[in-house]
Amino acid sequence: AQSVTQLGSHVSVSEGALVLLRCNYSSSVPPYLFWYVQYPNQGLQLLLKYTSAATLVKGINGFEAEFKKSETSFHLTKPSAHMSDAAEYFCAVSGQGAQKLVFGQGTRLTINP
Amino acid sequence: EAGVAQSPRYKIIEKRQSVAFWCNPISGHATLYWYQQILGQGPKLLIQFQNNGVVDDSQLPKDRFSAERLKGVDSTLKIQPAKLEDSAVYLCASSLGLGEGYGYTFGSGTRLTVV
Repeated sequence: AQSVTQLGSHVSVSEGALVLLRCNYSSSVPPYLFWYVQYPNQGLQLLLKYTSAATLVKGINGFEAEFKKSETSFHLTKPSAHMSDAAEYFCAVSGQGAQKLVFGQGTRLTINP
Repeated sequence: EAGVAQSPRYKIIEKRQSVAFWCNPISGHATLYWYQQILGQGPKLLIQFQNNGVVDDSQLPKDRFSAERLKGVDSTLKIQPAKLEDSAVYLCASSLGLGEGYGYTFGSGTRLTVV
């Protein structure tokens, strides 16, 4: 079984500051890990995914995430926040060979001017 | 390529009424999912289809929810009768197939309000 915990339901940063959204996972099998972004009244858009290749994964809009097996973490970062990054972010996990995605509760990112 | 299409975008019904949602996945995507997203929570899988067969419906409240995927393309999710706690966004997603960590493509969702 898989599960995801996102630490912090709401994160607020200043424009230009580092963005760090935390995700820890639990999986009984080698995991695939995903980050999705959701803008108001829209569906989920894939930011990046880890599928057992490189542990540092680069995604769209300048985001990246690092898979750390020893810490069971897959934190999302962006060096410099932009106002357009304000949205809800979801971490998700699936087991290899089974595509059912299990989502975390989400983190709402607010960018202060 | 065209995205995942869902309709309607919004629906308001009274409790005990019935409602249906429609999803048209990306052409060629064999796997289709319905997720329920309650306000303030992450999406929860309701049902997963592979072509027109059900792969996982373990979290589908079968006493009131039903879903079908005729001919392995479009899908319909129905709720009958609706309860207040069914108020949520219903997201449809599709992917190329099972395994290998394929990412999903999500539709914009249908926001259901039960009053």
